[in-house]
Amino acid sequence: GAGVSQTPSNKVTEKGKYVELRCDPISGHTALYWYRQSLGQGPEFLIYFQGTGAADDSGLPNDRFFAVRPEGSVSTLKIQRTERGDSAVYLCASSPDFSNSPLHFGNGTRLTVT
Amino acid sequence: AQSVAQPEDQVNVAEGNPLTVKCTYSVSGNPYLFWYVQYPNRGLQFLLKYITGDNLVKGSYGFEAEFNKSQTSFHLKKPSALVSDSALYFCAVRGLISNFGNEKLTFGTGTRLTIIP
Repeated sequence: GAGVSQTPSNKVTEKGKYVELRCDPISGHTALYWYRQSLGQGPEFLIYFQGTGAADDSGLPNDRFFAVRPEGSVSTLKIQRTERGDSAVYLCASSPDFSNSPLHFGNGTRLTVT
Repeated sequence: AQSVAQPEDQVNVAEGNPLTVKCTYSVSGNPYLFWYVQYPNRGLQFLLKYITGDNLVKGSYGFEAEFNKSQTSFHLKKPSALVSDSALYFCAVRGLISNFGNEKLTFGTGTRLTIIP
């Protein structure tokens, strides 16, 4: 079946601009995660949704970052006033429940802020 | 807070030899442990997990991992390495909290495995 889909695959934006990154999870998966991966680093947790609500947003670095999942399926990560330090690969993952299921990752969106 | 350590940034192994990629963890309560593999320009792919039961778990592509509670380790192993095993490997841990059943999944910094023909 279809996996986790992230669009766009690449995004180049100028410093100070606003960007939206989209994630389509696997159908029926109730849990959705956003991670950020910088070059040479492991994925860094940003936010986790259980259904429509953000169960844990402790990883969002500051108030320029925000994520929504209004209908419990597709999620959008929004970054305001982008900075060069925001450049990274943003990974989305979903899982069927919130117990011991592994996360299924998308291929990520590579964000470059110039 | 939970954490994962992968002490080796790079591991080189000759094709056909056994391989080990090391991982230690710290978490409150019983851990859920995972290994993921990442190929260039791709997302992470799940390899195997330890939840409970046998300390030796088997996963995809002939990989296995051994859970050692006393050493808080979860090393990834394979008896005979293939060139196609060359990739970036991440260990991850998840603890258990009461509200939603799970903590977030916390990843290590990764180990680049290179299999030499």
